[in-house]
Amino acid sequence: GENVEQHPSTLSVQEGDSAVIKCTYSDSASNYFPWYKQELGKGPQLIIDIRSNVGEKKDQRIAVTLNKTAKHFSLHITETQPEDSAVYFCALGGFQKLVFGTGTRLLVSP
Amino acid sequence: DTAVSQTPKYLVTQMGNDKSIKCEQNLGHDTMYWYKQDSKKFLKIMFSYNNKELIINETVPNRFSPKSPDKAHLNLHINSLELGDSAVYFCASSQVPGTYNSPLHFGNGTRLTVT
Repeated sequence: GENVEQHPSTLSVQEGDSAVIKCTYSDSASNYFPWYKQELGKGPQLIIDIRSNVGEKKDQRIAVTLNKTAKHFSLHITETQPEDSAVYFCALGGFQKLVFGTGTRLLVSP
Repeated sequence: DTAVSQTPKYLVTQMGNDKSIKCEQNLGHDTMYWYKQDSKKFLKIMFSYNNKELIINETVPNRFSPKSPDKAHLNLHINSLELGDSAVYFCASSQVPGTYNSPLHFGNGTRLTVT
């Protein structure tokens, strides 16, 4: 079945720094790679997604890159702000369901 | 105007009891899901319904029984609650069957604590 590994599990940065979270997967049939942000007491919320026919996608301070050959994709957050502090999940679009990574707790210190 | 709403937000109950969690979505989506998030934040799918039909049933004990009276509602009933059932349960919906290519919209979760 699908398997996705996410690293690091925790990430602490100073405000204004960049943050990068990486996910690797094994199912070469996967074609959909979303990222979710979960704030305290709330459900995960989609922040950006990418499909396999695209290598990179950017939306303001966040970007996702995909390397299908190496089977990994990454979330990049630039100019981090304290409100970026949350748990981030990558996910893999498999047959009829999304499989989530193990999550990264990002802490942005002022 | 909450897109996916679930009730209750918190549920504290004793072992052996039976409880239900309700979920409603007003997005017009055909597919709804239940996910379980444990204390380590792992998110795992439990069930998926498309237009009231069960399409995914992961390895979940028989004590968990989902019910979808219509495509906007998906409820979760749990019999004979056990300590290990303590978790946050999330309802979600998506526009097309399966999530192969379609974003999930999550509710804010129901924190279940079994004592």
